[in-house]
Amino acid sequence: KAGVTQTPRYLIKTRGQQVTLSCSPISGHRSVSWYQQTPGQGLQFLFEYFSETQRNKGNFPGRFSGRQFSNSRSEMNVSTLELGDSALYLCASSLRDGSYEQYFGPGTRLTVT
Amino acid sequence: QQQVKQSPQSLIVQKGGISIINCAYENTAFDYFPWYQQFPGKGPALLIAIRPDVSEKKEGRFTISFNKSAKQFSLHIMDSQPGDSATYFCAASRGETSGSRLTFGEGTQLTVNP
Repeated sequence: KAGVTQTPRYLIKTRGQQVTLSCSPISGHRSVSWYQQTPGQGLQFLFEYFSETQRNKGNFPGRFSGRQFSNSRSEMNVSTLELGDSALYLCASSLRDGSYEQYFGPGTRLTVT
Repeated sequence: QQQVKQSPQSLIVQKGGISIINCAYENTAFDYFPWYQQFPGKGPALLIAIRPDVSEKKEGRFTISFNKSAKQFSLHIMDSQPGDSATYFCAASRGETSGSRLTFGEGTQLTVNP
C-alpha cells in the first residue's frame, strides 16, 4: 500500500506571496493532519480534517488554512508568507477520526526569501 | 505551553550499547504515547506506541517503559546499531474524543558510533 504523498517536495517563495501544499493520504485513510516542523519550535500541530470538516486547529494565525476533499486528499494554504514560515510541512494520515496511529509523509520543504 | 518534555537533546552511544530517551508529560488526559524516528530528509516514522494501561511494551530491540504515576515514559533501544542514528520524538495524544492531535517532545538526536 502506498504511503502518504506530498507535493511539491520543495518550494521557494517570496515574502508576501501565498502557497498551497497538497497531501494524499494512505488509501482508505480518511483523516488528515498537518504539522509544521522547524529547528526552533519543533513539531507543531496545525490542523486536522475528517470528512471534509476541520476537526482540530492548532495555535497558528489565520493565514494558515486548509481543506479536505471528498476523496480525503487535503491541501493547506499559507497566505501573505513571512520569513518565519520557512519550515518542513508534514502531512499525516490516519484511518478515521480519532484514530491513534498517524503515518507521516515526507513533507514539503518551504523556503521563504 | 510545552506539554511533553524530552531529554536528552542529543545522545552518543557505542554500537551494541543501550540508548535511553526520556519523556515527561503534564496533561493526564493523554492516553496514547507513540515514538517516532526521523531520518534526514524524511518524515517521522511511527516506531512503537503504548497506552497507559500497560507499563512496558517491547517490539524487537525497542522497548517503551511507562510510569503513569510519575507521568513519564522512555524509549530503550537495545543493541544499538549505526543504522539507528536518527532523531527520535516522543509524542502524546488524547485519542478518540478530541481527534488525533499529537503533541511532540523536542526531539533527541541519536548517534551510534561503529
